[in-house]
Amino acid sequence: EAGVAQSPRYKIIEKRQSVAFWCNPISGHATLYWYQQILGQGPKLLIQFQNNGVVDDSQLPKDRFSAERLKGVDSTLKIQPAKLEDSAVYLCASSLAGGPDTQYFGPGTRLTVL
Amino acid sequence: RKEVEQDPGPFNVPEGATVAFNCTYSNSASQSFFWYRQDCRKEPKLLMSVYSSGNEDGRFTAQLNRASQYISLLIRDSKLSDSATYLCVVNGRSGNTGKLIFGQGTTLQVKP
Repeated sequence: EAGVAQSPRYKIIEKRQSVAFWCNPISGHATLYWYQQILGQGPKLLIQFQNNGVVDDSQLPKDRFSAERLKGVDSTLKIQPAKLEDSAVYLCASSLAGGPDTQYFGPGTRLTVL
Repeated sequence: RKEVEQDPGPFNVPEGATVAFNCTYSNSASQSFFWYRQDCRKEPKLLMSVYSSGNEDGRFTAQLNRASQYISLLIRDSKLSDSATYLCVVNGRSGNTGKLIFGQGTTLQVKP
């Protein structure tokens, strides 16, 4: 079974630039999550989708971050404009049905903002 | 206070040692508890779920104390391959049980 796919794997940008990350969850998984993991910390949930609807975006900095999952399958996370403190690994995860199911993580996108 | 607190370590132990990690959580309404393992520069992967009665998977034993809001992970007979960061994870508040709250992780280094 194919795992969660993410691209790009690495991205270096300058502050105030824009960047977008893509995620394709495991086939059939209804729930998709975006996490931010800053070095030395655990992952922090940014947004959770159930199919193409948002379940939780309480920790998403909405003035600069946006995410969509238009067809209920793959998803894009965008940062515009980026700040130095956005340097982190952005992890996408998916689960079959939401709830306390096992979440499967993709390899992440490592973002460096200079 | 952080929602999930762990000692970041690092814990440096020799092969064959027994090591224990602890974790406390603040939300008494949490219903599900997990340990995830994260290797350096890799994604987190589920190690095991934690049940009220305690559970064991080979060399790994997890315990939950709801009254004290405390979770533990015991690793017996440590192997070099156990070197990783261990993340304590609890599910979020009622209304979004899919929301996982991660601790900052405890780093384990097993030495030959």
